[in-house]
Amino acid sequence: GENVEQHPSTLSVQEGDSAVIKCTYSDSASNYFPWYKQELGKGPQLIIDIRSNVGEKKDQRIAVTLNKTAKHFSLHITETQPEDSAVYFCAATIGGAAGNKLTFGGGTRVLVKP
Amino acid sequence: ETGVTQTPRHLVMGMTNKKSLKCEQHLGHNAMYWYKQSAKKPLELMFVYSLEERVENNSVPSRFSPECPNSSHLFLHLHTLQPEDSALYLCASSQEGGVGGYTFGSGTRLTVV
Repeated sequence: GENVEQHPSTLSVQEGDSAVIKCTYSDSASNYFPWYKQELGKGPQLIIDIRSNVGEKKDQRIAVTLNKTAKHFSLHITETQPEDSAVYFCAATIGGAAGNKLTFGGGTRVLVKP
Repeated sequence: ETGVTQTPRHLVMGMTNKKSLKCEQHLGHNAMYWYKQSAKKPLELMFVYSLEERVENNSVPSRFSPECPNSSHLFLHLHTLQPEDSALYLCASSQEGGVGGYTFGSGTRLTVV
């Protein structure tokens, strides 16, 4: 089955700096890679996703890159703000498969220091 | 609200109690999931229901019993739990056969005493 590794497990950045979280996956058939943000007391919320036919996707201050050959993808947050402090999870799946089962990484706790 | 509602938000139960967690989604999705979130394993898949049929039981102890009466509702029945079962239980939904992520509820914080 799919295995997703995520690094680092914790990340502390100064407000205004950039943050980068990296994930690797094992199943070359995976073709859908979402990122989730989980704030305290809430469930994970989808913030951005990328499909395997695209190498990069950007939405305002967040961007995701995908390297299919190396089987890794990354989340980039620019101009970080205190409200970016949260736990971030990457995930991978084979889109359209029964149950669309997502395999999640272990999570990265991001702290943005004002 | 995300469109996936979980109740109760908090639950404290003794090891001999029987309780149920409820999840309801208003998104028209037809696949639903139970996840356990704890410090040791951040997002641990428990059960998957697709088109109201259970398609995966991820080696979960029998003291956890899921029920999916229709595509909008999912329950997790709990009985004779152990203190190590204390965790945040998350429900999620998605569209079967689609290429999309999950929508999660806010979870039920369960404490077993």
